[in-house]
Amino acid sequence: ELKVEQNPLFLSMQEGKNYTIYCNYSTTSDRLYWYRQDPGKSLESLFVLLSNGAVKQEGRLMASLDTKARLSTLHITAAVHDLSATYFCAVVGFSGNTPLVFGKGTRLSVIA
Amino acid sequence: NAGVTQTPKFRVLKTGQSMTLLCAQDMNHEYMYWYRQDPGMGLRLIHYSVGEGTTAKGEVPDGYNVSRLKKQNFLLGLESAAPSQTSVYFCASTIAGGPNEQFFGPGTRLTVL
Repeated sequence: ELKVEQNPLFLSMQEGKNYTIYCNYSTTSDRLYWYRQDPGKSLESLFVLLSNGAVKQEGRLMASLDTKARLSTLHITAAVHDLSATYFCAVVGFSGNTPLVFGKGTRLSVIA
Repeated sequence: NAGVTQTPKFRVLKTGQSMTLLCAQDMNHEYMYWYRQDPGMGLRLIHYSVGEGTTAKGEVPDGYNVSRLKKQNFLLGLESAAPSQTSVYFCASTIAGGPNEQFFGPGTRLTVL
């Protein structure tokens, strides 16, 4: 059974600081997704990582995937208040178009 | 394109009442999903469909039924609502094959008293 764990679950960071959110998963997969959710809103796709070593960047966020370690990271550079949200990673099982399994999410709060 | 839409946006039910949530997508996606989101639990898959006329159970299917009579619509039914079904429900869709990126609807906030 595929399990996805994120840590930390809660993160309070100061503006301007850097931090990393970790996403570990339990079985082989070659696809990993990062989503953002603002309070009371739906999920917005941030990154789709499709191969070992994949790295994608958008603004102050950078995501990477290490399929051998079954680990993805979401790195935040010089945090700003607008990044405050809940971030989810999700993984597809190796058999392809099986449903996503989500982590429990990391609630990020960026404070001045 | 409207993307993925959900009806209704909010609903309050009494225990034992029934209702149907409608999900519609205009992207010609083959796969559709229903999730529930509860505080601290992330998203949990209820049921999903890989094509018109086919459905399958997810992680938490009990108390729910689904139907996919048309490719663009995926219905989630609660036959006899219970307080434990108070949640936010999200529908999502994706194309078959490809990167499997899921696109989410705006959600339905359901309260069962």
